Amino acid sequence: SQTIHQWPATLVQPVGSPLSLECTVEGTSNPNLYWYRQAAGRGLQLLFYSVGIGQISSEVPQNLSASRPQDRQFILSSKKLLLSDSGFYLCAWSGSGGPSPLHFGNGTRLTVT
Amino acid sequence: DAKTTQPNSMESNEEEPVHLPCNHSTISGTDYIHWYRQLPSQGPEYVIHGLTSNVNNRMASLAIAEDRKSSTLILHRATLRDAAVYYCISNTGNQFYFGTGTSLTVIP
Repeated sequence: SQTIHQWPATLVQPVGSPLSLECTVEGTSNPNLYWYRQAAGRGLQLLFYSVGIGQISSEVPQNLSASRPQDRQFILSSKKLLLSDSGFYLCAWSGSGGPSPLHFGNGTRLTVT
Repeated sequence: DAKTTQPNSMESNEEEPVHLPCNHSTISGTDYIHWYRQLPSQGPEYVIHGLTSNVNNRMASLAIAEDRKSSTLILHRATLRDAAVYYCISNTGNQFYFGTGTSLTVIP
């Protein structure tokens, strides 16, 4: 069966520090991968998605970036965090063919201080 | 991507059916309708999806209007564990855009 791993679960970082969140998927190949962010009490905002290695589509211009160095690995990064980057970050995957639903990880709660 | 609109909140008594509505009046012919739900501090969980025909699974039923401009997620017997935020999404291709969803409260 397919599983998705996302870490860390919680993170507290000072303003201006770098960020690296990692997500890996097991049990499937060539998945579509996604990063979402959820501010407190709000809906999910699509940040990035990827349909293959090295292919990244950005939905929202900001100081975050994403990379997909391997088929089942998706990384969210920032060189310098802002206070507004605080939130709940969720990685998700879907199958590459047909109307495959999203499957989410457990999320990372990031607090920028 | 078609925009969806849902009520902000709904209440239901435990063990009664719940009908969660969603409007997607600008949906295209190839957009699928997905439903997810999210418990506090967890990632969303897939519930059900469909294109034109009504769909049933172990979690819920999805009733899609004939003109596809609206749909209804049906929980046949609400339990306290069904209290969550429910999101309706219309999807085509690789993008999934979430709205603010409906917060469902289940009253014991």
